[in-house]
Amino acid sequence: DAKTTQPPSMDCAEGRAANLPCNHSTISGNEYVYWYRQIHSQGPQYIIHGLKNNETNEMASLIITEDRKSSTLILPHATLRDTAVYYCIVRGYTNAGKSTFGDGTTLTVKP
Amino acid sequence: DTAVSQTPKYLVTQMGNDKSIKCEQNLGHDTMYWYKQDSKKFLKIMFSYNNKELIINETVPNRFSPKSPDKAHLNLHINSLELGDSAVYFCASSQEVHPGETQYFGPGTRLLVL
Repeated sequence: DAKTTQPPSMDCAEGRAANLPCNHSTISGNEYVYWYRQIHSQGPQYIIHGLKNNETNEMASLIITEDRKSSTLILPHATLRDTAVYYCIVRGYTNAGKSTFGDGTTLTVKP
Repeated sequence: DTAVSQTPKYLVTQMGNDKSIKCEQNLGHDTMYWYKQDSKKFLKIMFSYNNKELIINETVPNRFSPKSPDKAHLNLHINSLELGDSAVYFCASSQEVHPGETQYFGPGTRLLVL
């Protein structure tokens, strides 16, 4: 199963775009990249996921590099309520039902 | 409308007691999960049920027993509670066990064993 590496922390100014990187250099062809966030020990909140193509929804955009070895989650206009721990995880057929969350990135949005 | 709900939200109990946590989802999903988040914030799968059948059973002490009375409910019963069982337990659901299927998590049950 592919492992992910994320920076431990990042800051972002309110109203600016937050770009959170994730490295998953050992990802295989059938593994999806998922992003969740956890605010104050609430339940993990789903943000977005993708396989090969870039994806966008009402919350965020996901940019996956062509070689799929890394991805970036973009929150286009960060607000104070986006302060949370962001987790990038990879799931394939061998671990389809198992979301394992590691350290994640603590994003702090500052006024 | 809460998609995945858990009760209780907080549970404080003595060592050796038996307790249950309940989970319900109104998303119409076929698959439900129990996860444990420890003090270091690592979240790991414990169990998964698909259509009331156990399909994932990680290395969990047999003091933990999940029960799925129907597709919308997955309960977790814990016997002889130990100090190390203190953690946050999250329930989740997805339509099926497929890497492209999103798992949606409940708000968590904070268990403290004294």
